[in-house]
Amino acid sequence: AQTVTQSQPEMSVQEAETVTLSCTYDTSESDYYLFWYKQPPSRQMILVIRQEAYKQQNATENRFSVNFQKAAKSFSLKISDSQLGDAAMYFCAYMRNNDMRFGAGTRLTVKP
Amino acid sequence: DSGVTQTPKHLITATGQRVTLRCSPRSGDLSVYWYQQSLDQGLQFLIQYYNGEERAKGNILERFSAQQFPDLHSELNLSSLELGDSALYFCASSGPTGGHTNTGELFFGEGSRLTVL
Repeated sequence: AQTVTQSQPEMSVQEAETVTLSCTYDTSESDYYLFWYKQPPSRQMILVIRQEAYKQQNATENRFSVNFQKAAKSFSLKISDSQLGDAAMYFCAYMRNNDMRFGAGTRLTVKP
Repeated sequence: DSGVTQTPKHLITATGQRVTLRCSPRSGDLSVYWYQQSLDQGLQFLIQYYNGEERAKGNILERFSAQQFPDLHSELNLSSLELGDSALYFCASSGPTGGHTNTGELFFGEGSRLTVL
């Protein structure tokens, strides 16, 4: 079974600064998807960014970007110009054949 | 709004009871997933259905069961409830595998919060 590891239970960043959340995964497959989901206090799961494994170019969505290292099986999320509204739990997820598995999450605190 | 509807949003019951959680997927989505999220924990995969058939099973207890109906809505049945079953139960849906509508993304409902007293 595929496993997803987020080694940082908690992270903190100053408002307007940049923070990187780490994620590694284990798979023997070459074709899959990777995601970062955000879960604010409302508990709603919100998609932040997605990456197809066959694409070498790192995905970017406004202030959010990823560093996808396929050989190293690493998928980190960089949040630039952090805002107070970015405070949330962030979950890394791996999906193949519509089977999605999540990491344990990283709680991000944004300090004003 | 993700398009995935879950009911009820909140449910309080006693140990030993049985409850049913309901999920309506996004229009056109064939896959339904159920996840359990205990307090301050990650999402634990329970079970997946695709077009009415069980596709994958995760850490789902024998006291729990699920099904997907011909209209594609799904129900998660939790029986002989224990205090530890208190959690947020998410339903998510996705498009057909390999289809052009499949973006590889799961669309989540707002969850059903179950409290067992």
